[in-house]
Amino acid sequence: QKEVEQNSGPLSVPEGAIASLNCTYSDRVSQSFFWYRQYSGKSPELIMSIYSNGDKEDGRFTAQLNKASQYVSLLIRDSQPSDSATYLCAVDSGGYNKLIFGAGTRLAVHP
Amino acid sequence: ETGVTQTPRHLVMGMTNKKSLKCEQHLGHNAMYWYKQSAKKPLELMFVYNFKEQTENNSVPSRFSPECPNSSHLFLHLHTLQPEDSALYLCASSEAPAMNTEAFFGQGTRLTVV
Repeated sequence: QKEVEQNSGPLSVPEGAIASLNCTYSDRVSQSFFWYRQYSGKSPELIMSIYSNGDKEDGRFTAQLNKASQYVSLLIRDSQPSDSATYLCAVDSGGYNKLIFGAGTRLAVHP
Repeated sequence: ETGVTQTPRHLVMGMTNKKSLKCEQHLGHNAMYWYKQSAKKPLELMFVYNFKEQTENNSVPSRFSPECPNSSHLFLHLHTLQPEDSALYLCASSEAPAMNTEAFFGQGTRLTVV
């Protein structure tokens, strides 16, 4: 059973702080990794993708991938209340965009 | 219109009804997907279509019947559903099949089975 694990949270951080979201996956052959943001009652929105070991930065977001440890993370710098949402980690299982999702981590940024 | 559009946004149906969910993508993609999102559970992949051909059926009960007439449209036909089928049904599309491609979601259909 291929799995993607996330801490359900809630992760509570003050405005302006760094939020760190973590994800582990079980399928060693996975090659593609994605972070989606989902506001309550809305559909998932893609915010980051990462395919190689190391860091990938896009604005306030940094994705980190360590395939040896089967670990992917998302850092959000200068967190804003508008970042409050559930963050879904997704792993491409099978190489043809058969995305397996974690249950998500709920992030709450308080002023 | 751009992106992935789903209709209806909300649907209430009885267990003996037959209804259909519709998805349309305007991104020029060749792969389309149905996902189910139940409360407090991860998104579950239901079906995958690549170039109109079904390439994945994730052990979905036959009361859910997908149809993909072309690369831009995807339907999910529903009949004799159960209350536990109540969930958010999400359509997604991507350039595919290929690795390292990103999937984009529609707004979903909130289904309630009574």
